[in-house]
Amino acid sequence: DADVTQTPRNRITKTGKRIMLECSQTKGHDRMYWYRQDPGLGLRLIYYSFDVKDINKGEISDGYSVSRQAQAKFSLSLESAIPNQTALYFCATSKTGVYEQYFGPGTRLTVT
Amino acid sequence: GIQVEQSPPDLILQEGANSTLRCNFSDSVNNLQWFHQNPWGQLINLFYIPSGTKQNGRLSATTVATERYSLLYISSSQTTDSGVYFCAVGGSEKLVFGKGTKLTVNP
Repeated sequence: DADVTQTPRNRITKTGKRIMLECSQTKGHDRMYWYRQDPGLGLRLIYYSFDVKDINKGEISDGYSVSRQAQAKFSLSLESAIPNQTALYFCATSKTGVYEQYFGPGTRLTVT
Repeated sequence: GIQVEQSPPDLILQEGANSTLRCNFSDSVNNLQWFHQNPWGQLINLFYIPSGTKQNGRLSATTVATERYSLLYISSSQTTDSGVYFCAVGGSEKLVFGKGTKLTVNP
């Protein structure tokens, strides 16, 4: 079984709708991240969390919010989706003191 | 912030050829990772290599941290090696990704 899972894997939604992307991990890591990838580009950081009570903005947090429900769960919300939020979204985890990050399979989101 | 440049942006090979991908970065880092993104979009960890040399089968990587670059070597390439290869660098908070090298291996 995958160590980092994301749901849904694919989603099509309409402009103005609220949508939540979920990430779960069984690696026992304390740090979790949300990244976004646009076509032809590398990933960019949206939000990150070092533990349940710690949430930090990344470089492109506008239009997004997150919730760390437990050490193993980190959700990303789009309060009112817009077409330029169409992208591939990745969740990642790491362990404090160990810098390597492990990525989930990604969620392909299309906003029409 | 830290800058990451990958070269070449595109690479086309015949099956069986060898290749070298390069990653230059602008500051000292604690983390450097190489990923392969397959045609389905999944990111596959290849190496965690902030310094030194590692090998895994036909792939190897070398990072010279003092000179701020890393190289990914692919030997005897196969069609399944096609995809985009990303270098990502960072510290304790986040990874900064390069724009990738798109590799196409033709049979």
